[in-house]
Amino acid sequence: DAMVIQNPRYQVTQFGKPVTLSCSQTLNHNVMYWYQQKSSQAPKLLFHYYDKDFNNEADTPDNFQSRRPNTSFCFLDIRSPGLGDAAMYLCATSRDTLAGVIGTDTQYFGPGTRLTVL
Amino acid sequence: DQQVKQNSPSLSVQEGRISILNCDYTNSMFDYFLWYKKYPAEGPTFLISISSIKDKNEDGRFTVFLNKSAKHLSLHIVPSQPGDSAVYFCATRLTGNQFYFGTGTSLTVIP
Repeated sequence: DAMVIQNPRYQVTQFGKPVTLSCSQTLNHNVMYWYQQKSSQAPKLLFHYYDKDFNNEADTPDNFQSRRPNTSFCFLDIRSPGLGDAAMYLCATSRDTLAGVIGTDTQYFGPGTRLTVL
Repeated sequence: DQQVKQNSPSLSVQEGRISILNCDYTNSMFDYFLWYKKYPAEGPTFLISISSIKDKNEDGRFTVFLNKSAKHLSLHIVPSQPGDSAVYFCATRLTGNQFYFGTGTSLTVIP
């Protein structure tokens, strides 16, 4: 009955070695988000897609990229992971429920992928 | 700069009593406020929300209060149950799908 699925749950990569995290959803939601959460910190929005429209947060490093090949899937690519990129990465989805008022509905989160950088 | 603050990292409450979790924000343009609950090894799950045009929203044991003049949001859980033990995040929305989260408050309900 999983709705937002993240694979893998745990990912270990080496410093500088590109890594891709995956998110899929069965909810058919328009909007998909990627958050980074470091230990004892708030989840921080990196970017989101509204359908195919990509929206990057101003302070998201260029090292982080995203792809959304279709409604169901969204990927987070970290081109050259540094030690400071070790974190929990959360994917979420939402739908727009009211015309012109995007995002008033709740976000549904996946369980997260914990990234370790060696 | 943290736009949403949860100043209490943890809270312990006796079962049956009221739990009050607090959240402060800085941006008066936020138009929607949410509370999420998170168990270990799971993603946050939606609990309750409130629009900026309201000051109270109730759903069963959970009530969210919004004080816009004070830029303060609170979640009341009455009565608290051991199953409520989790980390609670408040979140706010800026128009355009920009969401900001607090650092979370870990609630422990003691049986």
